[in-house]
Amino acid sequence: DADVTQTPRNRITKTGKRIMLECSQTKGHDRMYWYRQDPGLGLRLIYYSFDVKDINKGEISDGYSVSRQAQAKFSLSLESAIPNQTALYFCATSETGADTGELFFGEGSRLTVL
Amino acid sequence: EDKVVQSPLSLVVHEGDTVTLNCSYEVTNFRSLLWYKQEKKAPTFLFMLTSSGIEKKSGRLSSILDKKELFSILNITATQTGDSAIYLCAVDQAGTALIFGKGTTLSVSS
Repeated sequence: DADVTQTPRNRITKTGKRIMLECSQTKGHDRMYWYRQDPGLGLRLIYYSFDVKDINKGEISDGYSVSRQAQAKFSLSLESAIPNQTALYFCATSETGADTGELFFGEGSRLTVL
Repeated sequence: EDKVVQSPLSLVVHEGDTVTLNCSYEVTNFRSLLWYKQEKKAPTFLFMLTSSGIEKKSGRLSSILDKKELFSILNITATQTGDSAIYLCAVDQAGTALIFGKGTTLSVSS
C-alpha cells in the first residue's frame, strides 16, 4: 500500500458542486500539504499544516478550504467548483525536524470541472 | 516576493546528448534546494543541496548549488529516452512549505 493515499484518483464534476479530496498517510509525519499542478506552471501551494491544530494558506488558497482531521488525514474541499479549478492535485507529507525538506507525494487526484 | 525560476521551460534533445537545467531563486530564510523528477505520476526526489560547491551525483545525473549567486544546475549526461520527464526545482525555507519552480520539460528522442 502507498504511504500517502489520495481519494478519489479521478473525478469529473459540474460547476457549482462541492468536492472533497481526501489524503491519508501512514508515514507518521506531522506536516501535510496540498499542491495543485497545471501544465507549465509547476506545483503551486494551496494549504499546508504543520500539525493537527495548524492550518496555513498557501499561494492560491482562494476557493479552497482544508480540514486536518487527524495527524494522518488532511482533506481539501472546493465549496463551489469552477472550471478553472480543473487540475491535478497532490497531497504531500514531510517530517518535522528532518535535515531535508523532502516531500513525499501521493499519486495525485485529477479533477475536471465542467 | 519569494520565487524560484527554472530555465529553459522545455528542451528537446537526442539520445546521448548532455543537458543542463537551471534553477535560480530569491527567497528569505533559505534552508535547502531540492530537485525532483516527474514522469506520469507524482514527483520523485532526486537531490537535496544545502552547501555551495558540493556536487551531488547519482549515476548520469549531478547537481550543484551556488548560494552566492543563488542558483543551481542539474546536469544529465548521455541522455536516454527514459530521462524524458518534467524536472522540478524547489526551495525549502525555514518555517514554511517548499516553493516550486514551473519545471523544465525534457524530451529525449531516439
